[in-house]
Amino acid sequence: AQSVTQPDIHITVSEGASLELRCNYSYGATPYLFWYVQSPGQGLQLLLKYFSGDTLVQGIKGFEAEFKRSQSSFNLRKPSVHWSDAAEYFCAVGARGGSYIPTFGRGTSLIVHP
Amino acid sequence: KAGVTQTPRYLIKTRGQQVTLSCSPISGHRSVSWYQQTPGQGLQFLFEYFSETQRNKGNFPGRFSGRQFSNSRSEMNVSTLELGDSALYLCASSNGGRDSQETQYFGPGTRLLVL
Repeated sequence: AQSVTQPDIHITVSEGASLELRCNYSYGATPYLFWYVQSPGQGLQLLLKYFSGDTLVQGIKGFEAEFKRSQSSFNLRKPSVHWSDAAEYFCAVGARGGSYIPTFGRGTSLIVHP
Repeated sequence: KAGVTQTPRYLIKTRGQQVTLSCSPISGHRSVSWYQQTPGQGLQFLFEYFSETQRNKGNFPGRFSGRQFSNSRSEMNVSTLELGDSALYLCASSNGGRDSQETQYFGPGTRLLVL
């Protein structure tokens, strides 16, 4: 079965600074990978996803993520954080050809200082 | 296209009661999944319905049940509520392909508080 770890429970950055949120997965083959964002009182919104091909994936709101097979990682990055990026971020992994349901990490809470 | 809608948005119940939550998927989507989100356990998958049939099921007790109607709208029911059932219940819809690359679109959730 697949699993995903987000090592950082909280991350604090200053507005305008760069951001990297870590995600490590466990799966026997190349998985499907997702990053979602959840703002307070809201559901989850898909930021980006990786299925195959280019390992650097561009998403919405200026986010990108890089799939690194050797490190079993799919870290989310943004070059310059805005105050509106403060939210909870979830990494998720899905099995190819297996269970349809993705497995979610515990989430990383992003705090943005002005 | 309208997004996933969930009703009600907030609910307060007492222990032992039962509750029914509703989810209307994006038009054309045939799959509806339900998740429970709590600070302690994170996002946990409850079940998935596709074409009125339960296709996948998570590891929750039988007190948690669901159904899907012919218009793809789904309801989930929790009977004999416990304090630990207090959570945000999220519904997600998708086209319904069997592969995990299907993108799920989430609703805003129903916040349930059990007293």
